[in-house]
Amino acid sequence: DQQVKQNSPSLSVQEGRISILNCDYTNSMFDYFLWYKKYPAEGPTFLISISSIKDKNEDGRFTVFLNKSAKHLSLHIVPSQPGDSAVYFCAVTLSNFGNEKLTFGTGTRLTIIP
Amino acid sequence: GAGVSQSPRYKVAKRGQDVALRCDPISGHVSLFWYQQALGQGPEFLTYFQNEAQLDKSGLPSDRFFAERPEGSVSTLKIQRTQQEDSAVYLCASSRRDSPSGRAGEQYFGPGTRLTVT
Repeated sequence: DQQVKQNSPSLSVQEGRISILNCDYTNSMFDYFLWYKKYPAEGPTFLISISSIKDKNEDGRFTVFLNKSAKHLSLHIVPSQPGDSAVYFCAVTLSNFGNEKLTFGTGTRLTIIP
Repeated sequence: GAGVSQSPRYKVAKRGQDVALRCDPISGHVSLFWYQQALGQGPEFLTYFQNEAQLDKSGLPSDRFFAERPEGSVSTLKIQRTQQEDSAVYLCASSRRDSPSGRAGEQYFGPGTRLTVT
C-alpha cells in the first residue's frame, strides 16, 4: 500500500505563473516532510522541508505547506522558471539522528512552458 | 567538495549473473542509504549503514541482495543470481544528519547505477 501518493503524474505551467504540486500521506507517525527535485540521469536533490510542528516553510521562490489533519503536503513555486522543469518527489521520514530513511511518492513531472 | 559518486553508471547483466555496485559517499558522512528506483516509481529504501554497521536492511527484497560498508566509507551493493525484476536504478545517498548541522531527511544522492537484466 502506497504510504505517499502524488496523484498528478505530470503538470505543465506557463513561465512566470505559480506551480502547485500536491502530495498525500497515510501515516501520521511521520514528522518530517521533504521535496526533492530530479533531473534526468542525476540523483534527486534536496529542495525544501518542513517539520510537523509547522504549517509553512519558505525558501526563496519555494514554499511548502503542511496540513496535518488532512495529511496533505504541497509545494508552491512562484514565479515558475524554465529551469524548474524536472520531476519532483515528495518524501516523508521520522526524524532522528540516524536512520532517517525516506519514503517517496511516485513523482510529478513539471514542465515550465516558456 | 565532491558529491556522492556511483559506479558503474550503467550495467547490463544476463539473468543469473552476479553484480556489484559501488558507492563513494561524501567524505565524513556517517550515514549511508541504498534505494531502488523502478521505472515510473519513486525511490524505495533498501538498507541503511551508520559507519560500518548495517543497522537496517528491512528493504532488501530477497536474500540475493547483500550490502556492505567494511571501513565505514565506500559501500557495495551486491545482487546474486540477478533476475529481470531486479532491473532498476540503484541510488546511494549519504547524510551528515548525525551532526546537529544536518537537516532531518536531507540526503545527498549519487547519480545512480542503471541495472538492466536481460
